[in-house]
Amino acid sequence: AQSVTQLDSQVPVFEEAPVELRCNYSSSVSVYLFWYVQYPNQGLQLLLKYLSGSTLVKGINGFEAEFNKSQTSFHLRKPSVHISDTAEYFCAVSDQGSQGNLIFGKGTKLSVKP
Amino acid sequence: GAGVSQSPSNKVTEKGKDVELRCDPISGHTALYWYRQSLGQGLEFLIYFQGNSAPDKSGLPSDRFSAERTGGSVSTLTIQRTQQEDSAVYLCASSLTNMGKTQYFGPGTRLLVL
Repeated sequence: AQSVTQLDSQVPVFEEAPVELRCNYSSSVSVYLFWYVQYPNQGLQLLLKYLSGSTLVKGINGFEAEFNKSQTSFHLRKPSVHISDTAEYFCAVSDQGSQGNLIFGKGTKLSVKP
Repeated sequence: GAGVSQSPSNKVTEKGKDVELRCDPISGHTALYWYRQSLGQGLEFLIYFQGNSAPDKSGLPSDRFSAERTGGSVSTLTIQRTQQEDSAVYLCASSLTNMGKTQYFGPGTRLLVL
C-alpha cells in the first residue's frame, strides 16, 4: 500500500527567507507525485506535479520540487517566501497504473511572518 | 471557465439524519473523485467515477455512505444515519481522464453532525 509522510506538521519562517517542505512516499510501483496548496477556507489548488522526465519540476508562485527516486522523496522548495504563501501544503501520490485517486500526506502548515 | 462547484457549502444536521452532498464537475471531465478532510484522518479518498464504468467504492468508510453520478456529470454523495464522526469537509474533484491528470477541487461541503 502507498503512503505519504510529510515530516513537518508546521513550518514557521520569516518573509523573504527560503523554505523547504519535506515529503517522502512509500510505494511498490511507479508513481505520479503532486503538491497541492490550501489557503484558509478555500479548496485545494495544484502547485506542481511530476509525471515523468526531468526530476526538477517548477510550479506556480515560484515553487519547485525535485523528485528523488532513490530516496523516495519529493521535497517542495521556494527561495524567498511571501506573507501570501501562508497556507497548508499537501503532498500526494497516485499509482501510475491506478485510476488516479490521490493518497495525501497529513499536510504542512507554512506560516510566514513579517 | 467555471470550476468544480459543490453544494451546500455548509450543512449542520442531527445525528441519525440522512444528508446529500452535491458536486458539479468541470464540463467535459470524465473522472470524478470524492475525498473527505477531517482533523483526525487528514485527506482520504472515498469514491471514484470514470465515465460510465462502475465506480471504485474502495474508500467508502461504511455502508452508510453511497454515491451516484447521473449522466456522467453531476454526482451526489449520500450519508445515511449520520454519526458525529462523519463531521468533516467533503471535497469533490474532477479531471479530464484519470492517470496523471490534474484533479481540480471544489471548495468543499463542511458537514457538522450534532
